[in-house]
Amino acid sequence: EIVMTQSPATLSVSPGERVTLSCRASQNVGSNLAWYQQKPGQAPRLLIYGASTRATGIPARFSGSASGTEFTLTITSLQSEDFAVYYCQQYKNWYTFGQGTKLEIK
Amino acid sequence: QVQLQESGPGLVKPSQTLSLTCTVSGGSVSSVGYYWTWIRQHPGKGLEWIGYIYYNGNTFYSPSLKSRVTISEDTSNNQFSLKLTSVTAADTAVYYCGSSHDNNWGGGYFDLWGRGTRVTVSS
Repeated sequence: EIVMTQSPATLSVSPGERVTLSCRASQNVGSNLAWYQQKPGQAPRLLIYGASTRATGIPARFSGSASGTEFTLTITSLQSEDFAVYYCQQYKNWYTFGQGTKLEIK
Repeated sequence: QVQLQESGPGLVKPSQTLSLTCTVSGGSVSSVGYYWTWIRQHPGKGLEWIGYIYYNGNTFYSPSLKSRVTISEDTSNNQFSLKLTSVTAADTAVYYCGSSHDNNWGGGYFDLWGRGTRVTVSS
């Protein structure tokens, strides 16, 4: 099973700041990686697929990148609605998710 | 616009079978290329893929749950269902139905989710 490790578990940031979330795969997944945003009591929402392609309707302040087995989700100029939990997911070999990074208001 | 809605008991006794249904509206479970999926989220934890049924009826399950899981479809009611046998407290979770498509990198990522239904396993 491919293990996805996200760091940090929690990130405290202020609105307007830029933030980078990390996700590491235990083996090569190529670009078969997606990012999701989940708010309390809601289902996850797809943000990024193919490691760097924004899903339909996702604002340009969200971007994804990859370097080997390391993936990052960057959010520029954090808005109040961006404070949530973010999950990465690989789909190279079945499907596994990271444990999530919670973005909280500083 | 396709929407998904889970339904089923919120409480299941240990050793019994958990049964959930996902109703598809605005689309068809027989639509070509769709992967009708179940994912769960343990309390305060991350997400776990359970399995899917492809539009043609083929099923694929998580290796860790394969011995206890059955996913089926009911085309007449435009639904697909999850059965998980011999449940324990470790199966307490929010269960989501979702979908992917061949166009999503071969069914790789999930761009449509139901709202989720909470299932507690307890006597």
